[in-house]
Amino acid sequence: DTGVSQNPRHKITKRGQNVTFRCDPISEHNRLYWYRQTLGQGPEFLTYFQNEAQLEKSRLLSDRFSAERPKGSFSTLEIQRTEQGDSAMYLCASSLGDREQFFGPGTRLTVL
Amino acid sequence: KQEVTQIPAALSVPEGENLVLNCSFTDSAIYNLQWFRQDPGKGLTSLLLIQSSQREQTSGRLNASLDKSSGRSTLYIAASQPGDSATYLCAADNAGNMLTFGGGTRLMVKP
Repeated sequence: DTGVSQNPRHKITKRGQNVTFRCDPISEHNRLYWYRQTLGQGPEFLTYFQNEAQLEKSRLLSDRFSAERPKGSFSTLEIQRTEQGDSAMYLCASSLGDREQFFGPGTRLTVL
Repeated sequence: KQEVTQIPAALSVPEGENLVLNCSFTDSAIYNLQWFRQDPGKGLTSLLLIQSSQREQTSGRLNASLDKSSGRSTLYIAASQPGDSATYLCAADNAGNMLTFGGGTRLMVKP
């Protein structure tokens, strides 16, 4: 499968714990995006990378959130000191430049 | 700040009907507009992308149009099938990077 992959698919954690998600983009894509989607809503942009550089960050990305793409390939999104309001589907997408974005299956986070 | 609205929020039609989903956006200086399909609990599947210089795109039974001046896009689905049941999302791209999504239209096609 050469599409965007995300791991884990589901994560249940207790409030206050740290969690990390991984995204592997389509291999030739130089851009990688993170979005968050809550139930019944459309996805909201969080941040994006061009190669290893993080070029844009939404105000939704609080200090507890950090994203990296160290070698310009896979990316990780870490949430520290999770809160119940962080419960959502976290979606990753990739693109070749400013062309069509292709999405992964998402990681569903539940914070108890 | 771009805002995207989709109406209706939910739609139920009998199988075989042709239907139109609506998407409106506030900032007409868009780079492109993309339509997606999302099945429950799943990620997004890209259906069509319309560049700002284009008026429409077609793929099989789907046709998407774009009218930047009025801030509107429509997704036309011909001869709907139960397998078309899903949530349809439109997203506007103003700068060639981040997408701003509407809230989606939840479509149910009844056999």
